Amino acid sequence: GAVVSQHPSRVICKSGTSVKIECRSLDFQATTMFWYRQFPKKSLMLMATSNEGSKATYEQGVEKDKFLINHASLTLSTLTVTSAHPEDSSFYICSASRPGTRKETQYFGPGTRLLVL
Amino acid sequence: AQSVTQPDIHITVSEGASLELRCNYSYGATPYLFWYVQSPGQGLQLLLKYFSGDTLVQGIKGFEAEFKRSQSSFNLRKPSVHWSDAAEYFCAVGARSNMLTFGGGTRLMVKP
Repeated sequence: GAVVSQHPSRVICKSGTSVKIECRSLDFQATTMFWYRQFPKKSLMLMATSNEGSKATYEQGVEKDKFLINHASLTLSTLTVTSAHPEDSSFYICSASRPGTRKETQYFGPGTRLLVL
Repeated sequence: AQSVTQPDIHITVSEGASLELRCNYSYGATPYLFWYVQSPGQGLQLLLKYFSGDTLVQGIKGFEAEFKRSQSSFNLRKPSVHWSDAAEYFCAVGARSNMLTFGGGTRLMVKP
């Protein structure tokens, strides 16, 4: 149980375009999802916390207008990188916390590798 | 503010040897502690977690970790490493705000 998927697994796009990444909890309803960014050979940096039906909470230094998060249902959160630039190239990982368990226990998706040319 | 330090960036062990990965944390209250493993290009898999109770925690794949409050540590151990254990390991501390703060990671390499 506690499976989280992401789509796409990798994406290449041109500079200036927007890219949407989906995060789905497959076998549970996730009231809270998290979006992380991981640079090569680095740790994970929390970008934002997404709560179903409300606005996402962004971490300091993360541009909310650039990284749009929508948590429209209990099983789906999306991250849209708007007007992507090469410096946005990274590995983006989502996670979800499962109802009935402590929210600090997060189940992670397999990640999405974004390359902006 | 909470923080996590993993002092060893790389560790290499021989297959069959024992393993200990170090993790030190800084947090003002009783922490929730986690160990995750990440294979190349993959997401993170939860190995084990500590919330309260017995300070020696058993996890999946034969891993265990011991919470030592006096040393602010939560070291991960395995008695006999397998080649498939080669991966990146992350220690994390959770707070009431539901955030996870990750350490910098330790890359484990296993020699045949």
